[in-house]
Amino acid sequence: DTGVSQDPRHKITKRGQNVTFRCDPISEHNRLYWYRQTLGQGPEFLTYFQNEAQLEKSRLLSDRFSAERPKGSFSTLEIQRTEQGDSAMYLCASSRDLNYGYTFGSGTRLTVV
Amino acid sequence: KQEVTQIPAALSVPEGENLVLNCSFTDSAIYNLQWFRQDPGKGLTSLLLIQSSQREQTSGRLNASLDKSSGRSTLYIAASQPGDSATYLCAVQGGSEKLVFGKGTKLTVNP
Repeated sequence: DTGVSQDPRHKITKRGQNVTFRCDPISEHNRLYWYRQTLGQGPEFLTYFQNEAQLEKSRLLSDRFSAERPKGSFSTLEIQRTEQGDSAMYLCASSRDLNYGYTFGSGTRLTVV
Repeated sequence: KQEVTQIPAALSVPEGENLVLNCSFTDSAIYNLQWFRQDPGKGLTSLLLIQSSQREQTSGRLNASLDKSSGRSTLYIAASQPGDSATYLCAVQGGSEKLVFGKGTKLTVNP
């Protein structure tokens, strides 16, 4: 059990550029989640996968955001045409099922300049 | 809509003190409640998970209780240490898969 891995740890990008983040969940976990956290706030839910199926999306996930989980393994979160308001910590988590709770990764800190 | 509130927002205590962090939620129809720790600029570390049928969970110096009917949970930290300094987040899971978080309590333990 190597934990949930996220890459990169930090990303600085110019406004208008596209960025992509990667998350590798714990191998036996079929559930994968993306959250966003801004300074001084708790994490907010973005989207959830069970295996390769994206089962729930928050209204926070605008058309500029897209997430995938091909083959039910790693997941990517892409943000197109980044805006300064996208600056946040993007957190990935995985879970075996509801009885076991979540395990979070270390997050990707995005700064849009 | 589920809302989670954590009180206090910040807490500063001397080393060795016992302390209680509070979490309240508006919808008592939860599946479980989880307490996390977050160090500055880092991800979340799970501390304790309480299922809706349970009243409390313990891990080392940490004890979390759950009163689902009143919509409250407390995290008790015994004999606090400077290494306990962090932000503590409470999150509830209801009918859907997502967690709803509070804003956290920032704890500082002074040597």
